[in-house]
Amino acid sequence: GQNIDQPTEMTATEGAIVQINCTYQTSGFNGLFWYQQHAGEAPTFLSYNVLDGLEEKGRFSSFLSRSKGYSYLLLKELQMKDSASYLCAATDSNYQLIWGAGTKLIIKP
Amino acid sequence: ETGVTQTPRHLVMGMTNKKSLKCEQHLGHNAMYWYKQSAKKPLELMFVYNFKEQTENNSVPSRFSPECPNSSHLFLHLHTLQPEDSALYLCASSQDLGGGTDTQYFGPGTRLTVL
Repeated sequence: GQNIDQPTEMTATEGAIVQINCTYQTSGFNGLFWYQQHAGEAPTFLSYNVLDGLEEKGRFSSFLSRSKGYSYLLLKELQMKDSASYLCAATDSNYQLIWGAGTKLIIKP
Repeated sequence: ETGVTQTPRHLVMGMTNKKSLKCEQHLGHNAMYWYKQSAKKPLELMFVYNFKEQTENNSVPSRFSPECPNSSHLFLHLHTLQPEDSALYLCASSQDLGGGTDTQYFGPGTRLTVL
């Protein structure tokens, strides 16, 4: 079956760096998305990776290894507003998005 | 951010009620989606519309009935729901279907409670 695994919850300190991992098993692969969702709000797009390597966008970076079925989201210089859930989603061969359950990130002062 | 709007934001209904959720997108997109989000579970895709035509129905019970009158509006009609249907219902849109690169833009959701 198709599956996305990511940690349920992580805690980090303001100003630090945190890495949220995501592993996927899909029938075919056409890219991987990361979304951020604050409590009670809409998920918002963070990044999309389809080729191996690191994509950097300001404080946020996303990495993909297709051979390992693995991605991570790296958040630098953490701010309190980064407290949110981070959703990983992979696109399968039918271009359907397979979603993970999300990682709740708690930032402490 | 007002690209995708949803009303109402909160809804409490009894199991015998009939209600409708509304979604509107102002992004000129061609595809629209309904998702169910339950606590600590992955997003569940319910319905997909492309150019007003339904292209996906993920074995959703008939007590949920979608309607897409045009590419900008999407409704989810609800009747005789069960308490386990309580969840956050999210609407999303994307430029087109497929390609693997079409970012979906989400509305804020409707928090539904079925008593």
